Amino acid sequence: QKEVEQNSGPLSVPEGAIASLNCTYSDRGSQSFFWYRQYSGKSPELIMFIYSNGDKEDGRFTAQLNKASQYVSLLIRDSQPSDSATYLCCGGSNYKLTFGKGTLLTVNP
Amino acid sequence: DADVTQTPRNRITKTGKRIMLECSQTKGHDRMYWYRQDPGLGLRLIYYSFDVKDINKGEISDGYSVSRQAQAKFSLSLESAIPNQTALYFCATSDLGPRGTSGVGNEQFFGPGTRLTVL
Repeated sequence: QKEVEQNSGPLSVPEGAIASLNCTYSDRGSQSFFWYRQYSGKSPELIMFIYSNGDKEDGRFTAQLNKASQYVSLLIRDSQPSDSATYLCCGGSNYKLTFGKGTLLTVNP
Repeated sequence: DADVTQTPRNRITKTGKRIMLECSQTKGHDRMYWYRQDPGLGLRLIYYSFDVKDINKGEISDGYSVSRQAQAKFSLSLESAIPNQTALYFCATSDLGPRGTSGVGNEQFFGPGTRLTVL
């Protein structure tokens, strides 16, 4: 069974710090990986995607992928209270994505 | 206007009732999905459809059925609702990806969700 495991959290960081979110996946056939942010009661919103090994940066966000270790991470630099949300890691190939259960991040002012 | 819409946004019903949740999209995507989300369990796939004539079961399809009325519309039905179907339901869409590939790039876009309570 294809699984995506996330560090269970909750994770709490002070404002301005780096938040590190981690994820491992079991399906070696997975080609694409996504990080979604979900505020309580709202729908998931895509914030990053990564397909190739290495790092991908977009503003304060950096996604890292290591296919050999089946590991995906998301770093949030200069964390802001507005970053407080649940972060969903997911991976897949072709048409289906498998989602992790999410990590709740709280950024304290 | 929202690209992916869901109706109703909230629904309270009783055990045994038939319920239909509707999803419409203006993104022009061929692929549509229904998920449910429960606290501590994450998003779980109920059904997905690649086009009007292609419908597939997801990991938790028992107790649910779907209808793809058009490229832009995908409905989820609970034939006889039960309390453990109380959850937040999301519709999502995706495209084939860059340059028509069917792999890399197929991020999913979610509707606002329907909160369903079965008493």
